[in-house]
Amino acid sequence: AQTVTQSQPEMSVQEAETVTLSCTYDTSENNYYLFWYKQPPSRQMILVIRQEAYKQQNATENRFSVNFQKAAKSFSLKISDSQLGDTAMYFCAPTSGTYKYIFGTGTRLKV
Amino acid sequence: ETGVTQSPTHLIKTRGQQVTLRCSSQSGHNTVSWYQQALGQGPQFIFQYYREEENGRGNFPPRFSGLQFPNYSSELNVNALELDDSALYLCASSLSAGVSEQFFGPGTRLTVL
Repeated sequence: AQTVTQSQPEMSVQEAETVTLSCTYDTSENNYYLFWYKQPPSRQMILVIRQEAYKQQNATENRFSVNFQKAAKSFSLKISDSQLGDTAMYFCAPTSGTYKYIFGTGTRLKV
Repeated sequence: ETGVTQSPTHLIKTRGQQVTLRCSSQSGHNTVSWYQQALGQGPQFIFQYYREEENGRGNFPPRFSGLQFPNYSSELNVNALELDDSALYLCASSLSAGVSEQFFGPGTRLTVL
C-alpha cells in the first residue's frame, strides 16, 4: 500500500517570505517519484516540482525546492520569496508504476 | 499545442442516472488518467488508459468505467449515480504510462441530487 500525509491543512505567509509545506509518505516500492502539484483557485492542477527517489540531490525549480529525506520518507516543499500567485492548494503525490499517483489531502497556502 | 480539455464544465444529475464525462488529451499524449476530487480533498485515482487499454485501476466500483479512443481522447462513465459521486472529476494526460508528468484538465463538476 502507499499512503501520503500532509499534516498542515492551511498555512499563511507574507509576500517575499519563505514557507515550507510538509509531506510524509509510506511506500513498499523501491523505485518511485515524488511530485508537488499546485491547484490555484481556478482549479487546473499544474506541476510544481518533481524528485526521483534514487537521486540524493534535492530538486530545485526557481523559487521552489524540496527537502527529500528518503529514510524518513519525508518530502517537504520550500517556497522562497512568496508571491501572491502562489496562493493555491498544494498536493504532494508520490507515485510508482504500481500505485500510480496517490495524492495527499493538500495544504491550502494563502499569500 | 492544445492542453487537456474536458466537457462539460458542470453537470447536475439525479440519483440512479448515468453520466458520461469527456476528455481530450494533450497533443502527443497517449495516456489518460481519471481522478475524483471530493470537496476539500485530494484527487483519488480512478483508472488509467494507455493506448486504448485500461492500465491500472483505483479503489472504485465497476459502475465507474471508461474508454479511450484511437485519438487518445477518453470518456468516463458512471452508472447508477449516488449522492457521494458528487465531486470534481479531473482528467490528466501524459506522454507515457510510466511515471511522467501529468497535465491536468480544468475538471467537470458533477452534482448528484
